[in-house]
Order: sequence, then C-alpha cells, then structure tokens
Amino acid sequence: DAGITQSPRYKITETGRQVTLMCHQTWSHSYMFWYRQDLGHGLRLIYYSAAADITDKGEVPDGYVVSRSKTENFPLTLESATRSQTSVYFCASSQDEQYFGPGTRLTVT
Amino acid sequence: QKEVEQNSGPLSVPEGAIASLNCTYSDRGSQSFFWYRQYSGKSPELIMSIYSNGDKEDGRFTAQLNKASQYVSLLIRDSQPSDSATYLCAVNVDNDMRFGAGTRLTVKP
Repeated sequence: DAGITQSPRYKITETGRQVTLMCHQTWSHSYMFWYRQDLGHGLRLIYYSAAADITDKGEVPDGYVVSRSKTENFPLTLESATRSQTSVYFCASSQDEQYFGPGTRLTVT
Repeated sequence: QKEVEQNSGPLSVPEGAIASLNCTYSDRGSQSFFWYRQYSGKSPELIMSIYSNGDKEDGRFTAQLNKASQYVSLLIRDSQPSDSATYLCAVNVDNDMRFGAGTRLTVKP
C-alpha cells in the first residue's frame, strides 16, 4: 500500500545500546523528517532531508544520526541510547503538506 | 516568543456547537498553513491546508487565514464527540515546518 510506514512500532532497549528506527515512504516525496513528541514539548524536529544524500539538523539533533541513501528510506539511529530519548518518534514526508507515519514508541530503560 | 502559538486548552464544547481553534505565528515569511488532528496515541493527520488570505471550507471544517494579523484559525461546525482530539497548527517557511503545541478539544455529548 502507498504511504509512509515506520518500524518497529514499539521498542524497549537498554541505556547505551544502539537503536535504529526505520522509515519508508512510497510517494517519492523529496523531503523527509524525524520528530520526537514528548508531553509538554509538542513535536520537535530532530533531522530532516531535502533529497537523497542531503540531511540537516533540526532543533534537537544531539545523540541521533540519520542517513538517506535512497529517496524512500530515512533511518534514524540512536548511537548510544539514553533514558532522555524515551519518546514517541514520528517520521514524515512532504512535497509541501507533511504526512506522518504511525510512530514508534521507544522506551530506554 | 514561540514561533507558533496556540492555546493549550482544554477547549470544551457541546455536541452540535461550533468549535473555534486559534493560532498565531511570528514569521512573516510563512508561506503555507496547516491544521492537523491528533488522536491520543496516534500520529498527526492533516485535515486542512490554506495558502492565501480568507476562508477555505471543507465539509464541517473552515480554515481562516489573515496574514496581516499573522493569524490562522480552524472552525469545526456541528462538532461531534469524534472530533475530540488535539489540533496542531503548523506553519511552513521554506520547507521548515513549525508546529504549535496543540489545543486539546473535547466535544461533550
């Protein structure tokens, strides 16, 4: 089906472990985004990408790494997970209007 | 001053009433404006976009934009309990989407 998907939907990991969240879109949108959403902070942009091999930092990039080797995929890696990275992560894609994936609920213990 | 401001609510209206949600933004370069609906535990869902001054109607929803006042609003007519959600205002400046913190709407039967 067309759209934007994220995997896994739920993840529990331990402090210090590396975790990769996957995002895949079938619209061939140029732009892709990663947000985290926490109570009291709303949506905060982590990283975004304007095209394959072009990425840029958002508001809260520390502790995260992204890559975009293909237009349709935009993985987000937490290199050494910390408890403060417990959050709900949303991927989005756009040409102008942004469309969100279903989210990944990550818990770091 | 936050770039996109919304009243956090909660806003409570009776079923059948008009719900009025408001948003102000600070960047006069803002080019496009969006309203998202987010149910608890779900991802944001685009419900309206507006690009020029005036009103735009889509079913029970009307978006209003006043660029001179840097103000965008969403009216929901004949509110239903299923409209109970958090509504996010978003403003696009050169593909940099900025979100408000959201207004929580409750429609009481």
